[in-house]
Amino acid sequence: AQKVTQAQTEISVVEKEDVTLDCVYETRDTTYYLFWYKQPPSGELVFLIRRNSFDEQNEISGRYSWNFQKSTSSFNFTITASQVVDSAVYFCALRGTGGGNKLTFGTGTQLKVEL
Amino acid sequence: KAGVTQTPRYLIKTRGQQVTLSCSPISGHRSVSWYQQTPGQGLQFLFEYFSETQRNKGNFPGRFSGRQFSNSRSEMNVSTLELGDSALYLCASSSAGTGGLNTEAFFGQGTRLTVV
Repeated sequence: AQKVTQAQTEISVVEKEDVTLDCVYETRDTTYYLFWYKQPPSGELVFLIRRNSFDEQNEISGRYSWNFQKSTSSFNFTITASQVVDSAVYFCALRGTGGGNKLTFGTGTQLKVEL
Repeated sequence: KAGVTQTPRYLIKTRGQQVTLSCSPISGHRSVSWYQQTPGQGLQFLFEYFSETQRNKGNFPGRFSGRQFSNSRSEMNVSTLELGDSALYLCASSSAGTGGLNTEAFFGQGTRLTVV
């Protein structure tokens, strides 16, 4: 069975602070895919990044960066110099093999960035 | 390129009624998945359709059903509505087929269903 844990329910930071959102996953599949999505108040889940289990290279995209470590089953997401527009709920998700396109989501982390 | 379109955006129904939600995927995408989002249970997978066939199903009662048409548009139906069915229903489309899953899913804005 697949499982994704986002232990941080809510994080509040002041604008320009760096913030890291944690994600820990469980799967027995040797090939799997990890994702981060952002959900603003409008409700739509916005895709941020996909990472394959065989590619542990970390990635940076503007103010966003992701740290994937198979040894600890973690896929953490860091926002550098946070902005008010980053306020949203962030979900980490896992797709294994054999389940089609089924995504298993974590419970999400509510990020509030204040002035 | 148009995104995933879900209609209607909002619905209010009475217990016992049935409801049909619609999802138009991104052009060229043949996989459509449905998710239910509630404050208590989070995001839960309902089912996935690929080329008009249900490929995978989550742990929901038979009152929840779906289908996919030849143009990849999908509908989901909930019969005999219960108060607990109140939720945001999200549709996701993907280009991933049987050849590989190394793609992402794109979501619509959802249909917010309220059962009274």
